[in-house]
Amino acid sequence: AQKITQTQPGMFVQEKEAVTLDCTYDTSDQSYGLFWYKQPSSGEMIFLIYQGSYDEQNATEGRYSLNFQKARKSANLVISASQLGDSAMYFCAMRGPPIKAAGNKLTFGGGTRVLVKP
Amino acid sequence: DTGVSQDPRHKITKRGQNVTFRCDPISEHNRLYWYRQTLGQGPEFLTYFQNEAQLEKSRLLSDRFSAERPKGSFSTLEIQRTEQGDSAMYLCASSSDITNYGYTFGSGTRLTVV
Repeated sequence: AQKITQTQPGMFVQEKEAVTLDCTYDTSDQSYGLFWYKQPSSGEMIFLIYQGSYDEQNATEGRYSLNFQKARKSANLVISASQLGDSAMYFCAMRGPPIKAAGNKLTFGGGTRVLVKP
Repeated sequence: DTGVSQDPRHKITKRGQNVTFRCDPISEHNRLYWYRQTLGQGPEFLTYFQNEAQLEKSRLLSDRFSAERPKGSFSTLEIQRTEQGDSAMYLCASSSDITNYGYTFGSGTRLTVV
């Protein structure tokens, strides 16, 4: 079974500063994928970044980067130069090997609420 | 294609009534997922379709819940004899078996059972 743990229920960050959101995972699969989603108050889940378990380099997408430490089973999200619009819930998620039918679903953590202060 | 569409956006129902939600995935996506999200929690997997076949159901999907995806296009999620504990956001997502990471979510249907 897969499990995602996000230990930070909420965080304040000053505008223009960087923030790191923690995510640890547990799986017995060798092939898996890790995701971060943003959920503003409107409710939609917005895809931010993806890291495959065999990817050697950490994923980056604009101001988002994923600090992937496979041995520690962690996949922390770093948001650089925070903006007021970054205030939202952030969810870490994983999926298993796509060759299994069960590998296609996403398992989510409990989320971290980020509030960016001006 | 405008993304994944869910209807209705909000639904208020009395306890004991039946409700049905609809999800229209991205047309090229053959996989469709339903999740439930209660306030302050992460989404929980309910069920998954590949084309018209329902390949996996969570134990969260009690006998009162049923999902269909006729013809492998849109999907419906029905809850019979609703209970207050069913109050949640119901999220639909779709993906393609061509990519391993292209999950697109809809805006969800928020159900309130009174």
